Amino acid sequence: DAGVIQSPRHEVTEMGQEVTLRCKPISGHNSLFWYRQTMMRGLELLIYFNNNVPIDDSGMPEDRFSAKMPNASFSTLKIQPSEPRDSAVYFCASSLGTLNTEAFFGQGTRLTVV
Amino acid sequence: AQKITQTQPGMFVQEKEAVTLDCTYDTSDPSYGLFWYKQPSSGEMIFLIYQGSYDQQNATEGRYSLNFQKARKSANLVISASQLGDSAMYFCAMSSRGANNLFFGTGTRLTVIP
Repeated sequence: DAGVIQSPRHEVTEMGQEVTLRCKPISGHNSLFWYRQTMMRGLELLIYFNNNVPIDDSGMPEDRFSAKMPNASFSTLKIQPSEPRDSAVYFCASSLGTLNTEAFFGQGTRLTVV
Repeated sequence: AQKITQTQPGMFVQEKEAVTLDCTYDTSDPSYGLFWYKQPSSGEMIFLIYQGSYDQQNATEGRYSLNFQKARKSANLVISASQLGDSAMYFCAMSSRGANNLFFGTGTRLTVIP
């Protein structure tokens, strides 16, 4: 398996623009996580899905953030409108969804909002 | 509520020596899992080791071992025979049956000195 695939790897956008981050989890995994990593706040869990259903989105910072998982092989994280403080590395991770299985991370998307 | 605490923002260790990275946790769920991840400067998140709350023995994976003290709610990572390539950020994480998500601590930056 190719692992968790995220795109794009880097994104530079202007404040106010819409940004969409994409994630393809590992085939057969039924849990998917979106994280945001910054120097100030560390690694924050934004939202996680189980069997394509959002289970906990309490980490989503504002209504400007939304996430979808239309099927088992694809998820998006959208920011609209983007702001400079959204600049961070966004990770997607997937797992088998059981207590004793690790999550596998994608390479991350480095977002810069100018 | 779940909580993961890593109190050491930075640690130094001499090459070939052993080092312990601290992690304490808090959860009311009797079933939980504890994970350690490594993040080198290249940015990817690499799974290292897992410990389940009901595991009788401490987990080991090569040079990594987990010093699990359930009563003290600690899950310290021990790296033996440190190598220069061990220099990285190390994150402790927890998943519990009730939440089934994956929360991370703030991380410890380990620097191995030649």
